[in-house]
Amino acid sequence: SQQGEEDPQALSIQEGENATMNCSYKTSINNLQWYRQNSGRGLVHLILIRSNEREKHSGRLRVTLDTSKKSSSLLITASRAADTASYFCATDKGGGNKLTFGTGTQLKVEL
Amino acid sequence: DAGVIQSPRHEVTEMGQEVTLRCKPISGHNSLFWYRQTMMRGLELLIYFNNNVPIDDSGMPEDRFSAKMPNASFSTLKIQPSEPRDSAVYFCASSGHLGTINTGELFFGEGSRLTVL
Repeated sequence: SQQGEEDPQALSIQEGENATMNCSYKTSINNLQWYRQNSGRGLVHLILIRSNEREKHSGRLRVTLDTSKKSSSLLITASRAADTASYFCATDKGGGNKLTFGTGTQLKVEL
Repeated sequence: DAGVIQSPRHEVTEMGQEVTLRCKPISGHNSLFWYRQTMMRGLELLIYFNNNVPIDDSGMPEDRFSAKMPNASFSTLKIQPSEPRDSAVYFCASSGHLGTINTGELFFGEGSRLTVL
C-alpha cells in the first residue's frame, strides 16, 4: 500500500495563482521529500524536510510538516506554465534512503 | 556529471522474451534503487543496493525478476521470461554522500519504458 497519499489527485490553476498539494502518510518518518515529474521524464528532487522541522522554503516552494497529523503540504507560489507536472511526496522511515512514494498530484498551470 | 543513465529508453518485446535494463549511477554515489511506475500501482521500490550489495529485494514481484550490481558504476534489472503485466516504466535512482553527510535525496534516470506484447 502507498505510504503517502496526495490530494488532490489533479489540480488546474491559472498562471500566477498559488498551488497547494497535500500529503498524508501512515507511519513515523525520518524525513519527507517532494519530487516533480514532467511527462515522460524521471523524477526530480525539490525539497526535503526532516521530522524535527515544521516548515522549509526554497525559492517559490514552501513545505510544511505536521508529524502529529502525519501530513505535509507543498505550496507553489506565483505558479508558471512550466510548473505543469506531477508532484509526489516520498517518506523515508530511516536507514538507507529507502523512499516510499505517494500517488501524486497532477498540476496543470494554464496561461 | 551526466546524471543517472538508463538504457534502453524504450523496449518493446514479446511475451516470454528476456529483458535486460541497464543503469549507470552517478559517480561516487553508494546507493542504487530500482523503481517501477505504472498507472495502477504508482511508484514501487523493487530493490536497492548499498555499496553494490543488495539490501532489500522485498519489492521484487517474483522470481522472474533479478537484479545485479557487479560494480559501483553499473547495475542491471533482468526479467525472464517477460509477461504483458510487466509493462511499465522502470526507473533507476542513486543517492550518496556530500562529505560524510548522506544528503537523502534520490537522483533519477529518465526511465526505461517497457512494453511486453
